[in-house]
Amino acid sequence: DTGVSQNPRHKITKRGQNVTFRCDPISEHNRLYWYRQTLGQGPEFLTYFQNEAQLEKSRLLSDRFSAERPKGSFSTLEIQRTEQGDSAMYLCASSLARAGENQPQHFGDGTRLSIL
Amino acid sequence: KQEVTQIPAALSVPEGENLVLNCSFTDSAIYNLQWFRQDPGKGLTSLLLIQSSQREQTSGRLNASLDKSSGRSTLYIAASQPGDSATYLCAVKTGTASKLTFGTGTRLQVTL
Repeated sequence: DTGVSQNPRHKITKRGQNVTFRCDPISEHNRLYWYRQTLGQGPEFLTYFQNEAQLEKSRLLSDRFSAERPKGSFSTLEIQRTEQGDSAMYLCASSLARAGENQPQHFGDGTRLSIL
Repeated sequence: KQEVTQIPAALSVPEGENLVLNCSFTDSAIYNLQWFRQDPGKGLTSLLLIQSSQREQTSGRLNASLDKSSGRSTLYIAASQPGDSATYLCAVKTGTASKLTFGTGTRLQVTL
């Protein structure tokens, strides 16, 4: 169990550029979540996948954001035409969903995005 | 819409003190409640998970309680150490949703 891995750890880019983040969940986990955290706040839910299916998206996820989990393993989060307000820590979490059980979510160290 | 509040926002205690962090939530129809620790610039480390049917969970010097009917949870830290300094976040899973709803955290500093 190597934990949830996120790359890159830091991303600095100019406004208007596109960025893509990657998340590798814990290997046997079938659920994968994306959250966004700004300074002094708790994480806010963006979207989640069960296997390769994207089952829920927050209203925070504008049409500039897209997430994929093509083979039910790693996931990518892309932000197009970045804006200053996109500057935040993007956190990925994974969990194992079983019928009748509530398993904890395990988080990665996040990708910190800074928009110049 | 579920809302989670954590009090106090910040806390400073001398080493060795026992302390209590508070978490309240507005919708009592939760599946579980999870306490996390976050160090500056880092991700979240899961500390304790309490299922909705449970009243408390313990791990080492940590004890978390849950009173679902009143919408409250507490995290008790015994014999605090400087290494406990971090932000502590509580989060709830509500209804049929899989997502967690987080509070804004309590920033704890344990001084020598």
